[in-house]
Amino acid sequence: NAGVMQNPRHLVRRRGQEARLRCSPVKGHSHVYWYRQLPEEGLKFMVYLQKENIIDESGMPKERFSAEFPKEGPSILRIQQVVRGDSAAYFCASSPPLADSSYNEQFFGPGTRLTVL
Amino acid sequence: AQKITQTQPGMFVQEKEAVTLDCTYDTSDQSYGLFWYKQPSSGEMIFLIYQGSYDEQNATEGRYSLNFQKARKSANLVISASQLGDSAMYFCAMREGKPGANSKLTFGKGITLSVRP
Repeated sequence: NAGVMQNPRHLVRRRGQEARLRCSPVKGHSHVYWYRQLPEEGLKFMVYLQKENIIDESGMPKERFSAEFPKEGPSILRIQQVVRGDSAAYFCASSPPLADSSYNEQFFGPGTRLTVL
Repeated sequence: AQKITQTQPGMFVQEKEAVTLDCTYDTSDQSYGLFWYKQPSSGEMIFLIYQGSYDEQNATEGRYSLNFQKARKSANLVISASQLGDSAMYFCAMREGKPGANSKLTFGKGITLSVRP
């Protein structure tokens, strides 16, 4: 009964490098959400995807950040040319089709802790 | 205005006693959902309880109950018979609109709960 899986759990990058964060949703879930948690803060919504489609990216920074959820494989959050301010925990959550859930509960992965040196 | 407000400083409770964690919210939607998540020191996000705006009864899940006061826009979490393992950060979150195509959550800043033996 695998839940949401994220890897890596910890990622260290130097300024200017790229960071790739992966998220495998719960089997059968077609909705994926990415959130960012800065130290001492709550989670903030970044992007919502369904298979092969970005539905809502209103929380994504305009530059350097991108996300995808291909037909096959995990969802990827990509951060190009990382800066120190990108250091945070990045959480992925998935939810089932509405027909399978009365309130679209989101199941969270364990998060990826990104540290930018 | 903040959509989710959690203003309590760090909370302390004696083991086996009950504790209430406060949450107020702000939305103009008639349909919305309120969630509570627990984040232990290990960092994962654990779903605790859900309350829909049209639910007439307060939600309960084991030792967790939600004191939902719609007119006051508050959704306080009550933990009964506290256990040492309840020590964690607790986040209140809201989904605006009906469950459906986009169920992104807005989180509060969280409350730290420490259970004393």
